[in-house]
Amino acid sequence: EVVLTQSPGTLSLSPGERATLSCRASETLSTHFVAWHQLKPGQAPRLLIYGTSRRATGIPDRFSGSGSGTDFTLTISRLEPEDCAVYYCQHYSSSPWTFGQGTKVEIK
Amino acid sequence: EVQLVESGGGLVHPGGSLRLSCAASGFNFVRHAMHWVRQVPGRGLEWVSGFSWNSGTIGYADSVKGRFTISRDNAKNSLYLQMNSLRPEDTALYYCATGDEFELELRFWGPGTLVTVS
Repeated sequence: EVVLTQSPGTLSLSPGERATLSCRASETLSTHFVAWHQLKPGQAPRLLIYGTSRRATGIPDRFSGSGSGTDFTLTISRLEPEDCAVYYCQHYSSSPWTFGQGTKVEIK
Repeated sequence: EVQLVESGGGLVHPGGSLRLSCAASGFNFVRHAMHWVRQVPGRGLEWVSGFSWNSGTIGYADSVKGRFTISRDNAKNSLYLQMNSLRPEDTALYYCATGDEFELELRFWGPGTLVTVS
């Protein structure tokens, strides 16, 4: 199975700062099948990005995705207090689909 | 509006079985792939299994292969997960998820149902 390794484990930044979250795959992935999800306590996951760089419906444009090959990135350009959450990358190119272990974003 | 509602969770002893259900509404069920994803307490997300719109199984996570079986009933707009030989490490919040028509993305999620194996 494809192993997704996310870094850093925790990111602590101030409102307005830029957050860069990394996801490295154990093998080359098609850019069509990489996604990012946001998970907040007590809520269901929320799809942010799919197809590496396509924003899901209703997602603010401060969220953007990029990458290719084995390296993928989620960028939050200007952090808002409500962005405090755990973010997961995910691949869905072949079974079994897998998630990264998550990056926790804390707002100072 | 897409709505997914899971049920069937509960407390079960190791080695026991449970059957989860997901009732879907607000969309053309037969045109959608359907998935089970779980969140282990204090840990992350794990895709469990998926079922394509063409009634083919997408697959299973290695951790549940041979113990869990996914199925769907298009006439009832429902997805199921039969879980056998349950282990303490299967304790999790189980979500039902789907995407848009003929799409693989996990775009819509239910609130989840909690399974505790103890």
